[in-house]
Amino acid sequence: DQQVKQNSPSLSVQEGRISILNCDYTNSMFDYFLWYKKYPAEGPTFLISISSIKDKNEDGRFTVFLNKSAKHLSLHIVPSQPGDSAVYFCAGGSGGGADGLTFGKGTHLIIQP
Amino acid sequence: DTAVSQTPKYLVTQMGNDKSIKCEQNLGHDTMYWYKQDSKKFLKIMFSYNNKELIINETVPNRFSPKSPDKAHLNLHINSLELGDSAVYFCASSKGRQNQPQHFGDGTRLSIL
Repeated sequence: DQQVKQNSPSLSVQEGRISILNCDYTNSMFDYFLWYKKYPAEGPTFLISISSIKDKNEDGRFTVFLNKSAKHLSLHIVPSQPGDSAVYFCAGGSGGGADGLTFGKGTHLIIQP
Repeated sequence: DTAVSQTPKYLVTQMGNDKSIKCEQNLGHDTMYWYKQDSKKFLKIMFSYNNKELIINETVPNRFSPKSPDKAHLNLHINSLELGDSAVYFCASSKGRQNQPQHFGDGTRLSIL
């Protein structure tokens, strides 16, 4: 039972354009969501998070949008840069994090020059 | 400075052996975690440990046991290794449990022969 789903295994975007990564969840108990970026042979690196009481959070080139009624969130990267090529994981958390995070399977973002 | 460090990075061993993976964080965090990334690339929580409280994912076999000598360390001991234990194991830490992002180590790739 996948509580967090990232339905696009990969996404290719031209440098300078907007990258939009999508994530759906089924667990209504999640009270915060996070996006992580991962390079090969490294651990996931925290990018940005959003509380379930908000619908948008922005940090530089990264913006996360949350639509609670649709149980959907997205990560926008503008403008996309070559260094953004990586696997992006969406995760949900609840209970203050005591139970750990529930991750999606990841989306491999490829930025084309 | 490495914030969350794991050793070894690679571990190759035979079925039936007992092994340990060490994890140390220098972030001053008080909660540490162990995750397993299986062949399908899902990152799944195994343990959450905060000072005196250990929360175990019920799906984790009791051959796996975390040991915390102090707040900065959470080691993972695995007894009687099985083929299905082959995976990448990630250690993480966070500040408290109030919806704080978790910071990950670079992982330990465990291969069982």
